[in-house]
Amino acid sequence: KQEVTQIPAALSVPEGENLVLNCSFTDSAIYNLQWFRQDPGKGLTSLLLIQSSQREQTSGRLNASLDKSSGRSTLYIAASQPGDSATYLCAVPSGGSNYKLTFGKGTLLTMNP
Amino acid sequence: NAGVTQTPKFQVLKTGQSMTLQCAQDMNHEYMSWYRQDPGMGLRLIHYSVGAGITDQGEVPNGYNVSRSTTEDFPLRLLSAAPSQTSVYFCASRTGGEVKAFFGQGTRLTVV
Repeated sequence: KQEVTQIPAALSVPEGENLVLNCSFTDSAIYNLQWFRQDPGKGLTSLLLIQSSQREQTSGRLNASLDKSSGRSTLYIAASQPGDSATYLCAVPSGGSNYKLTFGKGTLLTMNP
Repeated sequence: NAGVTQTPKFQVLKTGQSMTLQCAQDMNHEYMSWYRQDPGMGLRLIHYSVGAGITDQGEVPNGYNVSRSTTEDFPLRLLSAAPSQTSVYFCASRTGGEVKAFFGQGTRLTVV
């Protein structure tokens, strides 16, 4: 059974810092990996999707990497801003399908002024 | 461009009552799914559908029913609500291939 772990569970950092959020998964036979952002009381917004054939994906200040062999992904946030405060979740398809997602429990990011 | 729409946003039920959580998407996505999100548990898959007329169980299906009569709609039915079903429910959709999943804003359900 696929298991997804995110470390740390919570992170509090000053604005302007570069951040690294970690995601690990137990079954490396994945089609892709997706990072989401969730604001309090809101739904999930997809940030980046990395296909199994890719090693990196970038969108603005966000960069996600994928190392399938080691079962790891990192989300790098450059020059963090107050609006980056949110919970960040990673998810991978599970059960041999590409549409059943297994989620990590998320990293709660709080920006300090 | 509405995306994935869930109704209602909030609901309080008494134990034993039944209700239907609605989910609709306007992106012509084949795949739709329901998750519940609980503190300390993360999101867990309840049921999913790969197309109209086709549904299957996820990780935590007990107490829930689904059907998919159209591509657009994927309602989730609670047959007899229990306090253990207090949670935030999310509907998601995506199309085939390696593309992103889109989520609704959630339904916060409390069963008393």
